[in-house]
Amino acid sequence: ILNVEQSPQSLHVQEGDSTNFTCSFPSSNFYALHWYRWETAKSPEALFVMTLNGDEKKKGRISATLNTKEGYSYLYIKGSQPEDSATYLCAYLSYNTDKLIFGTGTRLQVFP
Amino acid sequence: EAGVTQFPSHSVIEKGQTVTLRCDPISGHDNLYWYRRVMGKEIKFLLHFVKESKQDESGMPNNRFLAERTGGTYSTLKVQPAELEDSGVYFCASSQLPHRSSEGNEQFFGPGTRLTVL
Repeated sequence: ILNVEQSPQSLHVQEGDSTNFTCSFPSSNFYALHWYRWETAKSPEALFVMTLNGDEKKKGRISATLNTKEGYSYLYIKGSQPEDSATYLCAYLSYNTDKLIFGTGTRLQVFP
Repeated sequence: EAGVTQFPSHSVIEKGQTVTLRCDPISGHDNLYWYRRVMGKEIKFLLHFVKESKQDESGMPNNRFLAERTGGTYSTLKVQPAELEDSGVYFCASSQLPHRSSEGNEQFFGPGTRLTVL
């Protein structure tokens, strides 16, 4: 059974705080790790697709790192804004299949 | 470019009734996926089409669920008869690139259909 774990489950921060979340996934048969940002009633929005060990990707104030050997990825948000409030999902993709295996997500709330 | 669209956005039905969900993928995307999120749990894979063929249906919960993609364009997911535990958000996603591409097989998601079974 393949498990993807995310922590923390939820996070409340003040505007301007920096924050980070963790995604752990199986290190065997690794192909890609996807990060999504999801607001209820909207489409999950792809943030990053990461494939190589040691990858670091950045989009504005959001960045992510990948360690495929130990099976974890971190997502960082610098200077959180209220509009960053959403659920952040990570999903693992193995070589053996095309189906994404999701974690339960980290729900972020940023207070003004 | 239009994204993945899903219809309806919300459906409320009674136990035992039938519901059909529709997904229109991004034009030109051969790969179409159905996923489901039951409240409080992770999004789970249901099945994967390549054009009109079912590539992987290992996530379909039982034979009350029937997915079709006639002509390889839009797809429907029918639940008949619906049970209480079928409530959740049903997502559709599509992708263009074949698996194992250098792009990591990004999947584009629709907004989901929220199904409530009473």
